[in-house]
Amino acid sequence: QSVLTQPPSVSAAPGQKVTISCSGSSSNIGSNYVSWYQQLPGTAPKLLIYGNNERPSGIPDRFSGSKSGTSATLGITGLQTGDEADYYCGTWDISLSAGVFGGGTKLTVL
Amino acid sequence: EMQVVESGGGLVKPGGSLRLSCAASGFSFSNAWMSWVRQAPGKGLEWVGRIKSKIDGETTDDAAPVKGRFTISRDDSKNMLYLQMNSLKTEDTAVYYCTTDIGRWGLNPWGQGTLVTVSS
Repeated sequence: QSVLTQPPSVSAAPGQKVTISCSGSSSNIGSNYVSWYQQLPGTAPKLLIYGNNERPSGIPDRFSGSKSGTSATLGITGLQTGDEADYYCGTWDISLSAGVFGGGTKLTVL
Repeated sequence: EMQVVESGGGLVKPGGSLRLSCAASGFSFSNAWMSWVRQAPGKGLEWVGRIKSKIDGETTDDAAPVKGRFTISRDDSKNMLYLQMNSLKTEDTAVYYCTTDIGRWGLNPWGQGTLVTVSS
């Protein structure tokens, strides 16, 4: 069981918007930055969002992140079939003194 | 371009040992906090541990499942990160990735990973 809670799956049609939630506690999301990762089938994870809402160079602005209290959200607009992947949130947990990830959310673009 | 390349994976029997390596390039390795993350077959990401830079004390933090069995080290003269894994268990079977924290908990880049299989 993961420290951070994500929905197992989400789906939406091409061109639509989807959000993926990540719920934690005061010892992790509540007190640290959150990052998001995209893992396409058979590939390594790729950083999408860090510092709650910052995008590394090369990541399109269709991807956005936000944080409120002990929860974070990844938003993806203008969905494309190429966005079908697993998405993970991650942060540091000060009580565990360890990095923690959510269980992952599988995005299906119908 | 920032890049990391993992190596050293393979098949090992339960109770055995293995050392993984990670070659880094394209960034200031000596100033980087480096982490290992693993992914069991068909499962999610699991943080394994990290080592801080020498200037920050070169201390390590480890996840509870590997504490006392895995040791992270670094050789800044070679831009290399290592993961020494002892007393391996079948549940340690996973693809192991090395990565660095670019700040604000942004783990980037990620290599292709190296597969460790623990089986008799």
